[in-house]
Amino acid sequence: NAGVTQTPKFQVLKTGQSMTLQCAQDMNHNSMYWYRQDPGMGLRLIYYSASEGTTDKGEVPNGYNVSRLNKREFSLRLESAAPSQTSVYFCASSESAPYNEQFFGPGTRLTVL
Amino acid sequence: AQSVAQPEDQVNVAEGNPLTVKCTYSVSGNPYLFWYVQYPNRGLQFLLKYITGDNLVKGSYGFEAEFNKSQTSFHLKKPSALVSDSALYFCAVRPNTNAGKSTFGDGTTLTVKP
Repeated sequence: NAGVTQTPKFQVLKTGQSMTLQCAQDMNHNSMYWYRQDPGMGLRLIYYSASEGTTDKGEVPNGYNVSRLNKREFSLRLESAAPSQTSVYFCASSESAPYNEQFFGPGTRLTVL
Repeated sequence: AQSVAQPEDQVNVAEGNPLTVKCTYSVSGNPYLFWYVQYPNRGLQFLLKYITGDNLVKGSYGFEAEFNKSQTSFHLKKPSALVSDSALYFCAVRPNTNAGKSTFGDGTTLTVKP
């Protein structure tokens, strides 16, 4: 039972390049989330998916797109990376009801030069 | 809009002493409240949560938190700190509606010195 997995662990991009961050969970959770973590700013929600086939914007969606490929997988795409997107990205999943805790992946550390 | 405040960026305690990490929140309606811990270069791990009922919630690794509705607080506590408790702690709030999303505080770095 791996929980939430993310690939890659590290990535360096040049401004304007694109990339996709992958996330998968094996806990049969309906809800999945993408956050970014910046020093002193906590976690900010980028996008979330309440169930397979649905996605919705979070607090900071600009510059990102997501795909809920199936119940297990939720990917985050940067179409044209910018230095402001340098951050640590976390994927999380949870059961549907709002009182359920989230389970986090190990994170992807992204640097955009 | 909902919000979470963790007023201390850093908390320092000596091993064996009690620790408190503070959290206050603002949300419409009744809240669900969570504490998570993050060790260096790792994802967040769930510690405990308040849903309803008893205001004192017990969680993993000997941590507990007290929900105070009148003060809109949910402080994290432990009677006797360990060096291994040193980490970054996040408080989060979510309204008790299906459409609600979680809001996280900025985090508090706890350092326990031997």
